[in-house]
Amino acid sequence: NAGVTQTPKFRILKIGQSMTLQCAQDMNHNYMYWYRQDPGMGLKLIYYSVGAGITDKGEVPNGYNVSRSTTEDFPLRLELAAPSQTSVYFCASRPLGTALDGYTFGSGTRLTVV
Amino acid sequence: GQQVMQIPQYQHVQEGEDFTTYCNSSTTLSNIQWYKQRPGGHPVFLIQLVKSGEVKKQKRLTFQFGEAKKNSSLHITATQTTDVGTYFCAGPGGATNKLIFGTGTLLAVQP
Repeated sequence: NAGVTQTPKFRILKIGQSMTLQCAQDMNHNYMYWYRQDPGMGLKLIYYSVGAGITDKGEVPNGYNVSRSTTEDFPLRLELAAPSQTSVYFCASRPLGTALDGYTFGSGTRLTVV
Repeated sequence: GQQVMQIPQYQHVQEGEDFTTYCNSSTTLSNIQWYKQRPGGHPVFLIQLVKSGEVKKQKRLTFQFGEAKKNSSLHITATQTTDVGTYFCAGPGGATNKLIFGTGTLLAVQP
């Protein structure tokens, strides 16, 4: 099992550019999440999904969009990148059925907007 | 909105000393989880506590959930250099579908 796979690992964007951060999991987990972590800070929830076709906003959704067309994939779209979106982005997942399971995190995408 | 605070923000210890981080929520939690993030790495799930007053141990790590289910602590006995990293607590944010993470405590261990 690969677990949660995020691509790319690193990316530099210019202000105003767009990009999609990819996240895929092979554990058949229903729940998937996107967090951002600014340097020396905690994790802030951007968006989450409880299953294919269902998404919802987290704490800091502005400037981002998501889609969930399959159980496996949960891409995060940045439109019109801004310096404030410089951060490390983590995707995570957990199985359906219980809130007792810990999240499995991907290794992250380090994004710099210049 | 719900807030989860941790203290201290940073702690530097000599190898062999003990370490404790405290987690406090503005609301009562149904459960609390703890994660460890090594420098440059991603968060890794350590444990979940569910019951009021619950205490769980993992080797040198002791986790406790407060009686009122609004606070928790992680205690490491005789720290080792492998314990270096940031420790986060996390609790359900309203619906149980999402976690709200604490501010984290960065532990540095000097050999």
